[in-house]
Amino acid sequence: AQSVTQPDIHITVSEGASLELRCNYSYGATPYLFWYVQSPGQGLQLLLKYFSGDTLVQGIKGFEAEFKRSQSSFNLRKPSVHWSDAAEYFCAVGPYSSASKIIFGSGTRLSIRP
Amino acid sequence: DVKVTQSSRYLVKRTGEKVFLECVQDMDHENMFWYRQDPGLGLRLIYFSYDVKMKEKGDIPEGYSVSREKKERFSLILESTSTNQTSMYLCASTTGVNTEAFFGQGTRLTVV
Repeated sequence: AQSVTQPDIHITVSEGASLELRCNYSYGATPYLFWYVQSPGQGLQLLLKYFSGDTLVQGIKGFEAEFKRSQSSFNLRKPSVHWSDAAEYFCAVGPYSSASKIIFGSGTRLSIRP
Repeated sequence: DVKVTQSSRYLVKRTGEKVFLECVQDMDHENMFWYRQDPGLGLRLIYFSYDVKMKEKGDIPEGYSVSREKKERFSLILESTSTNQTSMYLCASTTGVNTEAFFGQGTRLTVV
């Protein structure tokens, strides 16, 4: 069965520190992977996506993610976080066909320490 | 700019009432989705639709139904609300294979 696991429920980092949010997936074929961010009270916004090609993808707001097939991972990174990065982050996989659903992880809440 | 619009940001309903949550997208997308979001559980798929008048059950369809009479509109119906349906409801749409989803702002429903 397809699934996405985000092992960290809540992470706190200091402003200016580096960040890595973990995502592992289980998928039967080549995955199509996404990271979304949700600010409080808002809908989800796409940060970045991976379909094929270069395994290091760049996104908005200075985020990047690396696809590692051997580890079934798609971790999100940022070299220096800002207070405005405090939000909830979701990893997602799919859809692999036109009549298929997107599968989301349970999310990681990021807090920023001043 | 692409847009997915949900009809209400906040709703408060009494147990047993019928609720319609409306979602409209202006991108001519084929696929539309309804999720509910609860703390610690992430986004759980209620229903999705890949064409007009077509619908598929998601992971938690019990207590919900949907309607898609026009391509741009996907409605979630709660026939008789219960307190365990208090949640944030998110609508999303995609154009098809391997494309990202665009989300509405969400509707926070409270059932009292």
